[in-house]
Amino acid sequence: GAVVSQHPSWVICKSGTSVKIECRSLDFQATTMFWYRQFPKQSLMLMATSNEGSKATYEQGVEKDKFLINHASLTLSTLTVTSAHPEDSSFYICSARRGGMNTEAFFGQGTRLTVV
Amino acid sequence: KNEVEQSPQNLTAQEGEFITINCSYSVGISALHWLQQHPGGGIVSLFMLSSGKKKHGRLIATINIQEKHSSLHITASHPRDSAVYICAPREGGSEKLVFGKGTKLTVNP
Repeated sequence: GAVVSQHPSWVICKSGTSVKIECRSLDFQATTMFWYRQFPKQSLMLMATSNEGSKATYEQGVEKDKFLINHASLTLSTLTVTSAHPEDSSFYICSARRGGMNTEAFFGQGTRLTVV
Repeated sequence: KNEVEQSPQNLTAQEGEFITINCSYSVGISALHWLQQHPGGGIVSLFMLSSGKKKHGRLIATINIQEKHSSLHITASHPRDSAVYICAPREGGSEKLVFGKGTKLTVNP
């Protein structure tokens, strides 16, 4: 299957700092990437849909000024958690779709963020 | 709103047993994913199906669109199959996946 690489796999940062997470599609071009968050023992929750060359579409309740998403190329989307708080500590995971709406989505390895 | 129910929530089996995980959803969908999440968190897409049945190795996924139900079967289960299995239907006309809470499978040697 296709490969989606996410980096870093884990990060610890201080409150108030910003953290950038990268999601790359290694062997295909991804016009659409998705960012999810998963709290312990919870389901994955969609945060935003990222389309190459345009603004991301955020889900209700997700602060777009806090979670900055950039999808500058067909193989890279980034999520920046700005002014991180301990409650932002979570598992963040991206997925990328190779083609149109009915194509399969492939997932990155995820990033475990701990804000201290 | 699409409600996704998976059963069982937890499942413990002996190596070699046949495993079935069920998923029911409440609205019309265009496709359904079965995902595998390992303890480290990484997710692997096992299947995407919109009708009938798919088989990959020891894994089989079936879906009944009319009954809004899908099942994931594992034949000859092995300890390395231990993981959380997640059902994620995609609503018709939408790009979004809605995730079940997952089924934690533990296969003992």
